[in-house]
Amino acid sequence: SQQGEEDPQALSIQEGENATMNCSYKTSINNLQWYRQNSGRGLVHLILIRSNEREKHSGRLRVTLDTSKKSSSLLITASRAADTASYFCATVGGSYNTDKLIFGTGTRLQVFP
Amino acid sequence: DAGVIQSPRHEVTEMGQEVTLRCKPISGHNSLFWYRQTMMRGLELLIYFNNNVPIDDSGMPEDRFSAKMPNASFSTLKIQPSEPRDSAVYFCATKRTSGVAGELFFGEGSRLTVL
Repeated sequence: SQQGEEDPQALSIQEGENATMNCSYKTSINNLQWYRQNSGRGLVHLILIRSNEREKHSGRLRVTLDTSKKSSSLLITASRAADTASYFCATVGGSYNTDKLIFGTGTRLQVFP
Repeated sequence: DAGVIQSPRHEVTEMGQEVTLRCKPISGHNSLFWYRQTMMRGLELLIYFNNNVPIDDSGMPEDRFSAKMPNASFSTLKIQPSEPRDSAVYFCATKRTSGVAGELFFGEGSRLTVL
């Protein structure tokens, strides 16, 4: 079964608005990663947050991690039409396995110009 | 750097035929992963290799599926015989260093349709 479940499944916003996507997972993790997938393309890595980190920033992206709640969120600020894509969280299969990355169900983000 | 290269990009075949998907990893990357993506099941990890050695194949759906990595620059995923339910996009992804947390680099995928 998949490790991560994203919420919401789909999100539609206007350009300039912020988009927040949430990810919940089931077991302890070594790190959590977020990926983006444009339609018909492969996944692209966005950001990695380790289990001992609570927040990380990269440009317009902000990721938080709450290991006590087994959840993470991805915030995209000042969204653009080019941000339209599916976003996935991914976690390793266990505390000590850093290779086996399991992906969640994804959030489809639509940004209208 | 050329990135992860997959072939073919699209394949349409008939039930019962053998399908071979190919992947050329990024040079120097030690870990290689095969994923399958469908609308119903999302992204599923099928198998992964570290230093050309299969580490975990628990995601391979059944004996019809097999994967090999004969050397550091080439991997194949074979389905024999293929069935309509195998229709999906198959992704190959690689990671620079096994045993260390890091990002995966994905190919563009091979879209398989089994009629």
